[in-house]
Amino acid sequence: DIQMTQSPSSLSASVGARVTISCRASQDISYDLAWFQQKPGKAPKSLIYGATSLQSGVPSKFSGSRSGTDFTLTISSLQPEDFATYYCQQYHSDPLTFGQGTKVEIK
Amino acid sequence: QVQLVQSGAEVRKPGSTVKVSCKASGGTFKRYAFNWLRQAPGQGLEWMGRGIPAFGSGNYVQKFQGRVSLTTDESTTTAYMELSGLTSEDTAIYFCATSLYWGSGTRSALDLWGQGTAVIVSS
Repeated sequence: DIQMTQSPSSLSASVGARVTISCRASQDISYDLAWFQQKPGKAPKSLIYGATSLQSGVPSKFSGSRSGTDFTLTISSLQPEDFATYYCQQYHSDPLTFGQGTKVEIK
Repeated sequence: QVQLVQSGAEVRKPGSTVKVSCKASGGTFKRYAFNWLRQAPGQGLEWMGRGIPAFGSGNYVQKFQGRVSLTTDESTTTAYMELSGLTSEDTAIYFCATSLYWGSGTRSALDLWGQGTAVIVSS
């Protein structure tokens, strides 16, 4: 199985801050990576697929990048509605696997 | 665009079976795979497998082999997840999520999610 290592597990940031979340795959997954946002009591929401492509309707303050097996989710200017838990997930091969999640909290 | 609505919360006793449904509306049912995932209280996301309407088949995570059945009904555009031999460790929110599917080896992102179904296993 492909292991996804996500960091940090949590972070505190102020409104307006730039935030980056990292995710490392245990082997090459090409661009087969997605990012999800989950708020308490809600289903995850897809933000990015193909490592860098924004899902329809997702604001452009979210962006994704890839360098080898390292992936990054960036939120350019954190807003109150962005405080949530974020997960990376690989779909390169079965079983689909997720990072452990990053909880973004208000500073 | 597809919308997914799941069945309501369930309470089951250890050793019993639960069946959760995921009704799809909009879109072309057979274009998608219906993935099933779960999230235990305070934990992360775990993929269980997928039901594939176009082929009438499913892919399963080995951990759940023999205990889970993922099926789809094209006539009602509904996907089902049935889990047997329940233990307290199966207490979780269960989600369905679509991904495009065009055959073996498909690499496609999870797209739309159902709202989740709470399954509580307690004696």
